[in-house]
Amino acid sequence: ELKVEQNPLFLSMQEGKNYTIYCNYSTTSDRLYWYRQDPGKSLESLFVLLSNGAVKQEGRLMASLDTKARLSTLHITAAVHDLSATYFCAGSISGTYKYIFGTGTRLKVLA
Amino acid sequence: DTGVSQNPRHKITKRGQNVTFRCDPISEHNRLYWYRQTLGQGPEFLTYFQNEAQLEKSRLLSDRFSAERPKGSFSTLEIQRTEQGDSAMYLCASSWAPLAKNIQYFGAGTRLSVL
Repeated sequence: ELKVEQNPLFLSMQEGKNYTIYCNYSTTSDRLYWYRQDPGKSLESLFVLLSNGAVKQEGRLMASLDTKARLSTLHITAAVHDLSATYFCAGSISGTYKYIFGTGTRLKVLA
Repeated sequence: DTGVSQNPRHKITKRGQNVTFRCDPISEHNRLYWYRQTLGQGPEFLTYFQNEAQLEKSRLLSDRFSAERPKGSFSTLEIQRTEQGDSAMYLCASSWAPLAKNIQYFGAGTRLSVL
């Protein structure tokens, strides 16, 4: 059974700093997703990574995938307060459309 | 296209009562998913449909839970004989296969409180 683990679970960082969130998964996953969730809101899709070495970037966020290491990263560059949210990664079990989410990383960017 | 719509947004019920939630997916999306999310956790997969067929159901979904998607459009999730442990946010998502990315678009959720 696919298991998805994120770390750190909580992250408090200063504006302007860089940081990386890590997402490890236990077995082969067809796709790796990153979502953002603001308090009291639903999930918003950020990135989908389909193949080894895939890199996607949007603004100050960049996601990458290493299927051999079963690791995805979400890198935050020069954080701003608006990035404060909870970030989830999710993998899909090969051959299915069943998605397993990590516990999430709660990010707080301090002014 | 107004996105995924869920009703009601909030539901308060007494233990032992039955509740039903509705999800209207993005039109033309053929896949529909139900998740449960508790505070501080990620969404937990419950079940998914392709068109009207329920293709997978989590082992976590006890016999008290049932979901339908009768015409391949909207879906309902029913919980019978609710328990306090059922209190959670119930999220619905939809996607369009056969796009390889299969990005799921989530609704705002139904928050269930069982007293």
